[in-house]
Amino acid sequence: GDSVTQMEGPVTLSEEAFLTINCTYTATGYPSLFWYVQYPGEGLQLLLKATKADDKGSNKGFEATYRKETTSFHLEKGSVQVSDSAVYFCALRTGRRALTFGSGTRLQVQP
Amino acid sequence: EAGVAQSPRYKIIEKRQSVAFWCNPISGHATLYWYQQILGQGPKLLIQFQNNGVVDDSQLPKDRFSAERLKGVDSTLKIQPAKLEDSAVYLCASSPGGSNEKLFFGSGTQLSVL
Repeated sequence: GDSVTQMEGPVTLSEEAFLTINCTYTATGYPSLFWYVQYPGEGLQLLLKATKADDKGSNKGFEATYRKETTSFHLEKGSVQVSDSAVYFCALRTGRRALTFGSGTRLQVQP
Repeated sequence: EAGVAQSPRYKIIEKRQSVAFWCNPISGHATLYWYQQILGQGPKLLIQFQNNGVVDDSQLPKDRFSAERLKGVDSTLKIQPAKLEDSAVYLCASSPGGSNEKLFFGSGTQLSVL
């Protein structure tokens, strides 16, 4: 079945550091890929998505590129802020099926 | 537009008691999902509805969990009897119903079973 593997956290960075959170997936068919974010005390919200190979999703300075050859969708940001501290979830969806999530990566950004 | 509404926000019960959660999806969204998120883990699908029909309930522990969406709008999820390992956040999400669309999530119900 479908599955998502993402790097374990927590990831602790200083403000303005470069961020990479790795995500790889296994899926039947041609999934869409997503990054969701969960800020403290808030619900899950979509950060970005990509629907086909080589697509790049971007939002709020975050980017991720759909790499079919390596089955990856790594999340990157050039300069993190304290306000980016949250839990980040990589997820996939094939057709009308529900989202399949990774286990989440907690990011802590220190001033 | 109004988001996905869930209630209650928090619930504390003792093991073997029963509990129910309610979800009202975004207006017009045909697909509704219930997820279970155990602390430190990613959300796991319990059940997916398309209108008032069940699309996927393969991971729902049917001996104790039940869910319904009678009129194809709001939904309830019930646990009876609860076990300690049911302590988790129960998330409801909805989507318009097309392929590969994003899901919209509610704030969740945090359940503690003592």
